[in-house]
This record gives sequence, C-alpha cells and structure tokens, in this order.
Amino acid sequence: AQSVTQPDIHITVSEGASLELRCNYSYGATPYLFWYVQSPGQGLQLLLKYFSGDTLVQGIKGFEAEFKRSQSSFNLRKPSVHWSDAAEYFCAVGARSGGSNYKLTFGKGTLLTVNP
Amino acid sequence: GAVVSQHPSRVICKSGTSVKIECRSLDFQATTMFWYRQFPKQSLMLMATSNEGSKATYEQGVEKDKFLINHASLTLSTLTVTSAHPEDSSFYICSARAGATEAFFGQGTRLTVV
Repeated sequence: AQSVTQPDIHITVSEGASLELRCNYSYGATPYLFWYVQSPGQGLQLLLKYFSGDTLVQGIKGFEAEFKRSQSSFNLRKPSVHWSDAAEYFCAVGARSGGSNYKLTFGKGTLLTVNP
Repeated sequence: GAVVSQHPSRVICKSGTSVKIECRSLDFQATTMFWYRQFPKQSLMLMATSNEGSKATYEQGVEKDKFLINHASLTLSTLTVTSAHPEDSSFYICSARAGATEAFFGQGTRLTVV
C-alpha cells in the first residue's frame, strides 16, 4: 500500500525567507504526486502536481516541487515566503486504481507559521 | 480551476438524528467523487469513492450503513450520517474529479453532534 511521510509537523520561517517542505512517499510504481494547501476550516487547494515528464514542477503562488525518484521525494519549495502563505500543507500520492483512475493518500501535513 | 461546492459548511445535530451533506461540481461533470474525514490536526482519511450511477466503494473500517453515499448525477453526491453520535463529530470534505484529471475539493463541512 502507498504511504506519504511529511517529517516536519510544524515549521516557522520569517517572511521573505526561503521555504522547503519535505515529502517522502512509498509506492510500487511511478506515482502521481500532489501538494495541497489548507487554510483553517477550509477545503484543500491544489498547489501543483506531477504526473509525468519534467521532474521540476511549477505551481501557483510561486511554489515549485521536484520529483526525485531515487530519493522517493517530492519536496515543496518557495524562494521567498509571504505572510499569506501561513497554512497547513499536505503532500499526497495518487495510487492508480484501475485504468487512469487513482486514489489519493495524504501525509499528516506540515503547519507553516510565518513570522513578520 | 473547477469549483466544488459543499453544503452546509457547518451543522450541529442532536445525537441519534441523521444529517445530509451535499457536494456539487458547479462547472464540470464529476465522474468520480470522494469523501474524506479529517480529525483535528490530522490528515484526510478517505472514507469512500463513488462513481455516478453505481454504489460507492468504502474504505476498510468505514461503516457503509452509517455513512450513506449517493452519487445520483454527474454533479451531485451526498453523504448522509445516520443515527449520528458525538464520535461522528468531525470535518468532512468531498472532492470531485472528471476522469484522470486533478481532484477539486469542497470547502468542507464541520459536523458537531451534541
């Protein structure tokens, strides 16, 4: 079965600093990989996804992530964090469940706090 | 991106009653919808997957008689929590997808059973 590990439960950075959120996955084939962001009491918004092709993926709000097969990782990065980026971030792996369908398995999330 | 609307956003119900949560894809046809449950400061746990016009597929450990899922059309799925108890209090989130594309999430429903 697939699994996702986000080693950091809580990260605090200063506004303007760079950010890297770690994500490791376990899956027996090439996965679909996702990063979502969740504000308190809200649903999830997709930041970026990897299905195939270029391993460096650009997303919304200035985020990017790099798929590294050898490390089973899909770390999320942003060069300069804004106060509005404070939220919970979830990494997810999509395991194929027949044809082109897939089911998402989420990591436990990383809470990002941004200091002024 | 596509919009998924979930209603209500908050609901309080008495123990023993049933409550229905709706999930609508507003601008696309969702061949597959998913229902998740999220405990405080926890990740999302998939409860069930539903395809339009067929029975939902429940994840292991999820009581199908307690959490009734109906996906009657390509734009609407409902989750009914039957005979709710305080331990059913949680944040429920739906997502919808058309084929193999990305899934879009609703804004969630906070259920409190008193």
